[in-house]
Amino acid sequence: DSGVTQTPKHLITATGQRVTLRCSPRSGDLSVYWYQQSLDQGLQFLIQYYNGEERAKGNILERFSAQQFPDLHSELNLSSLELGDSALYFCASSVVDGTGELFFGEGSRLTVL
Amino acid sequence: DQQVKQNSPSLSVQEGRISILNCDYTNSMFDYFLWYKKYPAEGPTFLISISSIKDKNEDGRFTVFLNKSAKHLSLHIVPSQPGDSAVYFCAANLGGGGTSYGKLTFGQGTILTVHP
Repeated sequence: DSGVTQTPKHLITATGQRVTLRCSPRSGDLSVYWYQQSLDQGLQFLIQYYNGEERAKGNILERFSAQQFPDLHSELNLSSLELGDSALYFCASSVVDGTGELFFGEGSRLTVL
Repeated sequence: DQQVKQNSPSLSVQEGRISILNCDYTNSMFDYFLWYKKYPAEGPTFLISISSIKDKNEDGRFTVFLNKSAKHLSLHIVPSQPGDSAVYFCAANLGGGGTSYGKLTFGQGTILTVHP
């Protein structure tokens, strides 16, 4: 158990819809990262928040947005969903922006039909 | 552009033998390299890392080698155990200096199967 909690574990929705994925980092971790893993692909970095502020951004689509709240939990919002958005979405956390040793949650599997 | 590549989708090894997983990268600015292990229905877990200023790092049965001139790194597991069966991801970051250590570029992964 990494200590990172993601909900929901599974989500099935239709094209054009909007969903919110939630992440609670490990206790004391200030950084939260979101990664996307599509079928047969490695993990793709989406975005990082550090103590409530956006810290780094990857190739995140404009239809996607994220935020980190004062209690340090984070939400990833995906809107106008397309079939290609079907993927595993991982949240990870770390104490500080150190060497890249991240603690990952179990992921949220999104299926867009 | 795949900056981190794991060209072997799968590897099968006998228990007790050595497992060697390979990874190639193209960006010479990468500063830190990491290996993560992933079991089904779980998130990746950190295994071992190496800084670009080193060529070897060892942790128990796991050793990572870095060849900067060849832009190649490898993970050696000796001896391999059935519990090592998992997907192994190679990852790299650009280090500090204004960017984020947690912004990792991952390879596609190699499925390791260790047979009893």
